[in-house]
Amino acid sequence: KAGVTQTPRYLIKTRGQQVTLSCSPISGHRSVSWYQQTPGQGLQFLFEYFSETQRNKGNFPGRFSGRQFSNSRSEMNVSTLELGDSALYLCASSLREAGELFFGEGSRLTVL
Amino acid sequence: DAKTTQPNSMESNEEEPVHLPCNHSTISGTDYIHWYRQLPSQGPEYVIHGLTSNVNNRMASLAIAEDRKSSTLILHRATLRDAAVYYCIDATGNQFYFGTGTSLTVIP
Repeated sequence: KAGVTQTPRYLIKTRGQQVTLSCSPISGHRSVSWYQQTPGQGLQFLFEYFSETQRNKGNFPGRFSGRQFSNSRSEMNVSTLELGDSALYLCASSLREAGELFFGEGSRLTVL
Repeated sequence: DAKTTQPNSMESNEEEPVHLPCNHSTISGTDYIHWYRQLPSQGPEYVIHGLTSNVNNRMASLAIAEDRKSSTLILHRATLRDAAVYYCIDATGNQFYFGTGTSLTVIP
């Protein structure tokens, strides 16, 4: 069974640009959540999608957005990039509410 | 946003048991207690979860206090591959708030 796949694995952007990250969940998993990991703030919850609907949102500015498609694949977008957006962005999928999360390897974003 | 507190770091000798504590001071009655670990350069990995009763699986045991304000992850025999950051989480629905975790060092 394939795991959670995130693309791209690494990317470099400059301030003011925007970026789109992609996440393919494990087959059959309808919940996808996103996290930002930085050395200073640790792992922070961004948002969670279930059946194409955003169910939960963390405390991030509106520059961070996401969506989920009918096949459960999800994308997150960050607009007007800032230096502080440099981070590892992790996606996780789950089968059940409050069930086990399966994480991808992450997309490492560097903003110059 | 993290709702749990853990020690920043712990050490253990190889092949000895490790007890990793966590305080869940604001846990609600319907929150599940989850534990994950993260090895260097990898995404977090599920370890174990429970609601009220103690739980065992092939990786670890989870002991949950009767009032659910604290939990302990037990690794029965630490190996060098268990060196990682361990996170305890109160899971509200599908909202998982990770704290800063406990960095476990395993000494050969």
